[in-house]
Amino acid sequence: DTAVSQTPKYLVTQMGNDKSIKCEQNLGHDTMYWYKQDSKKFLKIMFSYNNKELIINETVPNRFSPKSPDKAHLNLHINSLELGDSAVYFCASSLGQPNTEAFFGQGTRLTVV
Amino acid sequence: AQRVTQPEKLLSVFKGAPVELKCNYSYSGSPELFWYVQYSRQRLQLLLRHISRESIKGFTADLNKGETSFHLKKPFAQEEDSAMYYCALSGRAGGYNKLIFGAGTRLAVHP
Repeated sequence: DTAVSQTPKYLVTQMGNDKSIKCEQNLGHDTMYWYKQDSKKFLKIMFSYNNKELIINETVPNRFSPKSPDKAHLNLHINSLELGDSAVYFCASSLGQPNTEAFFGQGTRLTVV
Repeated sequence: AQRVTQPEKLLSVFKGAPVELKCNYSYSGSPELFWYVQYSRQRLQLLLRHISRESIKGFTADLNKGETSFHLKKPFAQEEDSAMYYCALSGRAGGYNKLIFGAGTRLAVHP
């Protein structure tokens, strides 16, 4: 069983569209994250949720809206997609304690044309 | 504020050569530091954490609080070590845990 799974793996869409990326973890973790990896492989935190509550929002445009229906899921919805949103988006989960390992999904490669 | 700096975008070495991937951090509290690795077409995964003081795949990393560094070292690089390496810091922010990463260093080991 895959611990952290994201769908879709690839997403190609036009500018201005709205799209969602889903993430699910079956590890029983209480903390989930979204990271953006740009073309230079720089990995930047976007959001963090703890038990369905938003705890970190790293100055991400309002067009990005995370939603956590339960602590096993953290979805990312993006409105009015722009060319600069093209990147690989990674979901991750952890127990939320400082010395615990984060487990990552395989990533979603978003291409906006 | 938490910050992780990896000064080298690319480190290119020959097989058998020693490797040191640099990582410096900024954090006001007591940090928890990690190295994560991303092999080609694979997901990001934990390589090692400072609290374990272990050697994984021949890699070690020592936390130096005086220099605020956590450099990753291996005495003899192998071709299969070629990957993206990320230094990460886990600390408390607003009562919750925050995990941030450096910009990453691509290690290329040539035959």
